Amino acid sequence: GAGVSQTPSNKVTEKGKYVELRCDPISGHTALYWYRQSLGQGPEFLIYFQGTGAADDSGLPNDRFFAVRPEGSVSTLKIQRTERGDSAVYLCASSNRGANTGELFFGEGSRLTVL
Amino acid sequence: AQSVTQLDSQVPVFEEAPVELRCNYSSSVSVYLFWYVQYPNQGLQLLLKYLSGSTLVKGINGFEAEFNKSQTSFHLRKPSVHISDTAEYFCAVHNQGGKLIFGQGTELSVKP
Repeated sequence: GAGVSQTPSNKVTEKGKYVELRCDPISGHTALYWYRQSLGQGPEFLIYFQGTGAADDSGLPNDRFFAVRPEGSVSTLKIQRTERGDSAVYLCASSNRGANTGELFFGEGSRLTVL
Repeated sequence: AQSVTQLDSQVPVFEEAPVELRCNYSSSVSVYLFWYVQYPNQGLQLLLKYLSGSTLVKGINGFEAEFNKSQTSFHLRKPSVHISDTAEYFCAVHNQGGKLIFGQGTELSVKP
């Protein structure tokens, strides 16, 4: 498809488990972003990649969270030792940084529920 | 640090009535400003954006917003709303440094 694709759309896990969330950006978009949206809140910035490198990871809440983008396209957000407070919708977005307009194109999100 | 404040968490309005969703931002540098909409069970979609030039920006679905630098505001307006406009609306600021900062959102509920 032409849009940002995120998998899985829903993930239910138990406290303490490891989780991976995948994002497939729009083809040709060099920048990729991860946000977290809790119920009733706006999206909270986690990390963004320019190409393969993390240009800004200041939003990652702690060292249980990690993200990679090894080939500059697909990205994986990894959460270790999940906690109930990690339950949220994780949003991925991509942009064409060459335009430098800041317009992000979002996927539909991965809803994570930690029991 | 930049921040965005959406002054109303919920705005109920009757169909065909006008609506204004308020947004204020704080930034010491030039910014780009955005409104995104999130319909139930869907992803965020861009409604409109201000990059430069005319302070009155028109977006999709009849929405418009006005950038006011002196008041650091970017309020969203529509002269006549429809039931289908029921959604969550997010104001966001981008400082050309790489990331969007979002407000808390305003839930617009249009009633018949």
